[in-house]
Amino acid sequence: AQSVAQPEDQVNVAEGNPLTVKCTYSVSGNPYLFWYVQYPNRGLQFLLKYITGDNLVKGSYGFEAEFNKSQTSFHLKKPSALVSDSALYFCAVRATNQGGKLIFGQGTELSVKP
Amino acid sequence: SAVISQKPSRDICQRGTSLTIQCQVDSQVTMMFWYRQQPGQSLTLIATANQGSEATYESGFVIDKFPISRPNLTFSTLTVSNMSPEDSSIYLCSVVEGPNYGYTFGSGTRLTVV
Repeated sequence: AQSVAQPEDQVNVAEGNPLTVKCTYSVSGNPYLFWYVQYPNRGLQFLLKYITGDNLVKGSYGFEAEFNKSQTSFHLKKPSALVSDSALYFCAVRATNQGGKLIFGQGTELSVKP
Repeated sequence: SAVISQKPSRDICQRGTSLTIQCQVDSQVTMMFWYRQQPGQSLTLIATANQGSEATYESGFVIDKFPISRPNLTFSTLTVSNMSPEDSSIYLCSVVEGPNYGYTFGSGTRLTVV
């Protein structure tokens, strides 16, 4: 079955420190991978995606993610966290041969403390 | 990317009633999806809204409970019928554009059933 896993329910980081939010996936064929952020009482905002090409993808707000095919991972990273980065982060994969739907991970709550 | 207007943004409804959620897109899109996000949970696809034909429902979701309309390529509605407190969730519409798979989400409808 195609799936996405975010092994950490919560990640705590001090402001100014690097952050990593983990994501692994299982999908047949070439994966199309996405990261979204959700602030309280808001919809989902797109951060970045990997479709093909360079394994290091740069996105919005200084975030980047590295696609690792051998480890089936797509971890989200940022060199220096901000308090305003505190939010709920979702990793998603486009399901293969299922009409284009996205399969989401369970989400990771990122808390950045001053 | 497409801009989505989703209405209402929130509502409190009595059990046994129905609520219709609207999703208006500022451009024509082929693929439109409806997701549910239960409290503290990830996003789960309810159905794919197909223009000119019946929606395609995911396992566990049925047309009688979640009827969907898609009269044209810029508009869709989702109705939550005969509501119970278990239907309290955030409902989001989403569209995908073009060959680069840009998925955009509406701001969501926060539904509380009392």
